[in-house]
Amino acid sequence: AQSVTQPDIHITVSEGASLELRCNYSYGATPYLFWYVQSPGQGLQLLLKYFSGDTLVQGIKGFEAEFKRSQSSFNLRKPSVHWSDAAEYFCAEVGGGADGLTFGKGTHLIIQP
Amino acid sequence: DGGITQSPKYLFRKEGQNVTLSCEQNLNHDAMYWYRQDPGQGLRLIYYSQIVNDFQKGDIAEGYSVSREKKESFPLTVTSAQKNPTAFYLCASSRRLAGAYNEQFFGPGTRLTVL
Repeated sequence: AQSVTQPDIHITVSEGASLELRCNYSYGATPYLFWYVQSPGQGLQLLLKYFSGDTLVQGIKGFEAEFKRSQSSFNLRKPSVHWSDAAEYFCAEVGGGADGLTFGKGTHLIIQP
Repeated sequence: DGGITQSPKYLFRKEGQNVTLSCEQNLNHDAMYWYRQDPGQGLRLIYYSQIVNDFQKGDIAEGYSVSREKKESFPLTVTSAQKNPTAFYLCASSRRLAGAYNEQFFGPGTRLTVL
């Protein structure tokens, strides 16, 4: 069965430091990959997506992600985090079937002053 | 503005009562989805619909029902058969179900508390 793994349940980063959130997907062929962000009590907002082409994709709010087929990874990065980046982050993929998105369990990002 | 609306934002019900959560979209999307979110569980798919008058069970459909009589609307009923209905419910839509068209747009969510 298709699965998305986000190994880190919680991550704490100091404001201004760099960030990397890990995501591993399972679908072996060309996946369609997404990162979403969720503020407390809110819906999910799309940060960025990868369908094909350049393996480094840019998103909103200064985020980027790199697709690495050899590692089945799609890690999210930001060079300098802001206190407003504190939120829950979800990685998701669409595989070959017609059954929609598969989400990881999320990574909770805490920003230290 | 195009988007997805869910109402109400907060909902309280007594145990044993059915309750219906509203989801409306004006994005002209064909596909719509309902997810349940519990702390530490991520998002779990309840039901999805690709077109009007058609819907499919997701991973945790037991105790829930849906209808899709109009393209814009996909209401979710939480029935008394759902053993643990207290959760945050998210509705989403996408242009299509498959592949690159499955960029999903989410509503703000409804928090259901069963007393």
